[in-house]
Amino acid sequence: AQKVTQAQTEISVVEKEDVTLDCVYETRDTTYYLFWYKQPPSGELVFLIRRNSFDEQNEISGRYSWNFQKSTSSFNFTITASQVVDSAVYFCALSEMGSSGSARQLTFGSGTQLTVLP
Amino acid sequence: DAGITQSPRYKITETGRQVTLMCHQTWSHSYMFWYRQDLGHGLRLIYYSAAADITDKGEVPDGYVVSRSKTENFPLTLESATRSQTSVYFCASVGTSGALAKNIQYFGAGTRLSVL
Repeated sequence: AQKVTQAQTEISVVEKEDVTLDCVYETRDTTYYLFWYKQPPSGELVFLIRRNSFDEQNEISGRYSWNFQKSTSSFNFTITASQVVDSAVYFCALSEMGSSGSARQLTFGSGTQLTVLP
Repeated sequence: DAGITQSPRYKITETGRQVTLMCHQTWSHSYMFWYRQDLGHGLRLIYYSAAADITDKGEVPDGYVVSRSKTENFPLTLESATRSQTSVYFCASVGTSGALAKNIQYFGAGTRLSVL
């Protein structure tokens, strides 16, 4: 069975601080996908990143960066110089990889509520 | 408009009533999913479908029924609503080809359901 743990239920930072959201996963699959989604106060789910299990390169996109470490089963997300608009719930998720490389149903963590104060 | 749409956005019903939540996608994606979101649990999978007429249970299927007669529609029915089914329901589909990035689930805006 798959499991995703986001131990940080709530984080509060002051604007311009850096913040890291932790994600630890468990799976018996040797190939899989990892995702981060953002859920702003408006409620929709916004895709941020997808990583496959055989690509451990870290990724940076603007103020966002992701650190994938297969050895520790972690896929952490860092926001640099946080802004008030970053306030949201962030979900980490895991999907098995189907035989054709396609993604399947997601197993979500319980989410981390990030509040960025002005 | 292209995308994945859910209706209604908000629904209030009473215990014991039947409720159907609609999900429609315009991308012709094969895979579609229903999740429910509850505080402290993140999103949990209710049912999913690999193609028209192929459905399977997820983590929390009890009390729900799905059907998929057409690729673009995936309705979720609560046959006899209970208070424990008060939740936010999200429909999703997987982008595997075309304009959308591959293997990424795209979500509808959600349906907020209250069972009184």
